Amino acid sequence: EPEVTQTPSHQVTQMGQEVILRCVPISNHLYFYWYRQILGQKVEFLVSFYNNEISEKSEIFDDQFSVERPDGSNFTLKIRSTKLEDSAMYFCASSADNSNQPQHFGDGTRLSIL
Amino acid sequence: GNSVTQMEGPVTLSEEAFLTINCTYTATGYPSLFWYVQYPGEGLQLLLKATKADDKGSNKGFEATYRKETTSFHLEKGSVQVSDSAVYFCALKGQGAQKLVFGQGTRLTINP
Repeated sequence: EPEVTQTPSHQVTQMGQEVILRCVPISNHLYFYWYRQILGQKVEFLVSFYNNEISEKSEIFDDQFSVERPDGSNFTLKIRSTKLEDSAMYFCASSADNSNQPQHFGDGTRLSIL
Repeated sequence: GNSVTQMEGPVTLSEEAFLTINCTYTATGYPSLFWYVQYPGEGLQLLLKATKADDKGSNKGFEATYRKETTSFHLEKGSVQVSDSAVYFCALKGQGAQKLVFGQGTRLTINP
């Protein structure tokens, strides 16, 4: 069964550094998402992406965050200047459409900011 | 805004016990409802879904019925196994929305 893959599985970064989290969505999917889960808290929506542009974003997704689909397969989340509170598990997801098809999630990238 | 509330965990049961994990939601219109499961060290996997009132989602012996009158989507399984130990997340997608809204997750441990 096709799956969403994320790399790296664990990223350790110094505060203030830029970090890029990478995702390869399922190949025939058109909608892409990023979520995060701070330890002990709920999974929170960050952003959705369709047709090469952001279609929805949350209040969390401020100017420090950006997303990009640099080629036909990858979908990336960049955090420009990381803060301690960015430490979390980041999940990428994709779906075939925006109606009844479910979102399929990757295994996540654990981001640790020192 | 839309929200999901799950029963507090952790939940610990013996093998072959009956499982219920409660989930209630607040949403306008007609959301779609989902249960996701996260096994240790893995990502979120879709367990089952229901897209309209009175629909029953089912998979791997788990069931949940979309009850609009009680705004609930409780997860049930008649006889749990050790391999069902995981964290279970109830989630909704609002009508016309793209994002999933998650509950806080319920950690389930099944003892042999």
